[in-house]
Formats: sequence, C-alpha cells, structure tokens
Amino acid sequence: KAGVTQTPRYLIKTRGQQVTLSCSPISGHRSVSWYQQTPGQGLQFLFEYFSETQRNKGNFPGRFSGRQFSNSRSEMNVSTLELGDSALYLCASSPSLLAGALRTQYFGPGTRLLVL
Amino acid sequence: DQQVKQNSPSLSVQEGRISILNCDYTNSMFDYFLWYKKYPAEGPTFLISISSIKDKNEDGRFTVFLNKSAKHLSLHIVPSQPGDSAVYFCAASASSWGKLQFGAGTQVVVTP
Repeated sequence: KAGVTQTPRYLIKTRGQQVTLSCSPISGHRSVSWYQQTPGQGLQFLFEYFSETQRNKGNFPGRFSGRQFSNSRSEMNVSTLELGDSALYLCASSPSLLAGALRTQYFGPGTRLLVL
Repeated sequence: DQQVKQNSPSLSVQEGRISILNCDYTNSMFDYFLWYKKYPAEGPTFLISISSIKDKNEDGRFTVFLNKSAKHLSLHIVPSQPGDSAVYFCAASASSWGKLQFGAGTQVVVTP
C-alpha cells in the first residue's frame, strides 16, 4: 500500500507570493490533517478535512486555507507569504474520525517551504 | 500557547542504557496521548499511545507512563539502540480523535 505523498517536496518562494501544497492520502483514508513544523515549535495543527468538509481548524490566520476533493486528496494554500511561513508542512491521513483513528494516522514526508 | 511541552530539546544516551523522555501538558481536557518518532526527511511515525484511563502502556522496548495529577507523561526506551536516534514528539488530544497538540520534540542521540 502506497504511503502518504506530498508534492512538491521542496519549494522556494518570495514574500507576498502564494503557494499551493498537495497531499495524496493512503488509499481508502478519508481524513487528512495538515501541520506546520518549525524549529522549537513542534508541529502546529492547521486543519483537518473529512469527506471534503473542514472538521477542525487550528489557530492560524486566514491566509492559510485548504480543501479536500472527492477522491480525498487535499491541498493547502498560503497567500501573501511571510518570512515566518518558512517551515516543513506535513500532511497526515487516517481512515476515519472514529475512536482510535489517531493511532492509525500516517504522515507524509512533508513539503519544505522557504520564503525569501 | 504551548499546551504540550517537551522541555529537553536533546538527550544523549549510551547504547544499551535507558532513554527517558519527558512531556508536560497544561490542558486537563487532554485524555489521549501519543508519542511519535521522526527521522530526517521523513514524516513522524506513530510509536505508542496511552489513554487517560491507564497509567502505563508497554510495547516491546517502549513504555509510556502517565501521571494525570502531575499532567506529566514519559517515554522509556529500554534498551536504547542506535536506530532509536531520532526526534521524538509527544502529542495530546482531547478525545481519541481530533486535532493533536504536539510538543516541540526531543532529539535523541544513541551513542555506541
């Protein structure tokens, strides 16, 4: 079974630009979550999607948005990039929102974004 | 507001000895806790979890202890092996599903 894939793996942008990151979950998984990892801050939860609906949202500004398609693939978009948005963006998929789903949450390798 | 804290950014331990990683949390609503392991250039992988109805969970060389009154959990790795060298993240959730709050991670280095 293929794992969670994220594209692109690396990205360099300049301040003010926007960026779209893509995540393809494990086949059959319907829940996709996004996290931002920065040094010293650990992983910060961005949002979670299930069946094309946003179910949970973290404390990030409106510049961060996401969506999920009918095939469970998800994209996240960051508009008007700032230097502080430089981070590793991780996507995780799980089969459902049911109890125990967190144990079966699988992470992708991440997209490393550098904002200059 | 960091609700999950890993106060030791790094830990060095000799092969064969015990590694003890600590994690503190502030939100009393958290009732499910997980540990993840992360190698460079890879996403975190689930290691072990514990729910608040237990105070200990063991899986092979890995044991997680939960002290609810102190809002503290720890991960013990016995014996430590070179392949255990990685960043370990503690995470907590207010239900057995739902968004996770992660700590900042502890870099473990196991030396021969």
